[in-house]
Amino acid sequence: EVQLVESGGGLVQPGGSPRLSCAASGFTFRNYNMNWVRQAPGKGLEWVSHISSSGSTIYYADSVKGRFTISRDNAKNSLYLQMNSLRAEDTAVYYCARHLFGNYFDCWGQGTLVTVSS
Amino acid sequence: SYVLTQPPSVSVAPGQTARITCGGNDIGIKSVHWYQQKPGQAPVLVVYADSDRPSGIPERFSGSNSGNTATLTISRVEAGDEAGYYCQVWDSSSDHLVVFGGGTKLTVL
Repeated sequence: EVQLVESGGGLVQPGGSPRLSCAASGFTFRNYNMNWVRQAPGKGLEWVSHISSSGSTIYYADSVKGRFTISRDNAKNSLYLQMNSLRAEDTAVYYCARHLFGNYFDCWGQGTLVTVSS
Repeated sequence: SYVLTQPPSVSVAPGQTARITCGGNDIGIKSVHWYQQKPGQAPVLVVYADSDRPSGIPERFSGSNSGNTATLTISRVEAGDEAGYYCQVWDSSSDHLVVFGGGTKLTVL
């Protein structure tokens, strides 16, 4: 069974630097591009970042560029999101999602909630 | 960057047909994907590449795309279809690669 499990969320102070993780299982992780998508409370889905299967190609939404860093460890079947200089508007559930060739997401994790507050 | 526009809400009686639109400039030349999200749950892909259904998604869910509007159609609506629905495209013309519509809340009366 394809499974993605996020972790690392919680209450973070403004300016904090948590790292989110996404553990993948049930498929050959190194063959797939991956993404982070977030959802603020009561709001819609917002794409955050994309990383290619090898990690060589990376993109970010303008709202997080320069503050967030996406990475992956194919040996550990894991995806990461290093978040720096957090702001209140970064409060959201963060999902990792598997990216298929047609540029859509066929599998999502359950999400991890990051709350930025003092 | 590319903008996708969805109606905030759509209401339909059980057994009827729900149509949820997703507007975008020349969206007909893009490949549109649709996700269903129930409260407290992760999104689930229900239609990809305009009109294809993933395994396990009922035939009641279908999609179309032409001109400036893509449409998700849900036939014979059931109470369990009540959820948020999001359209999504890949915008290779900008660095903002993945674009989601604002979402539509489907209410089953």
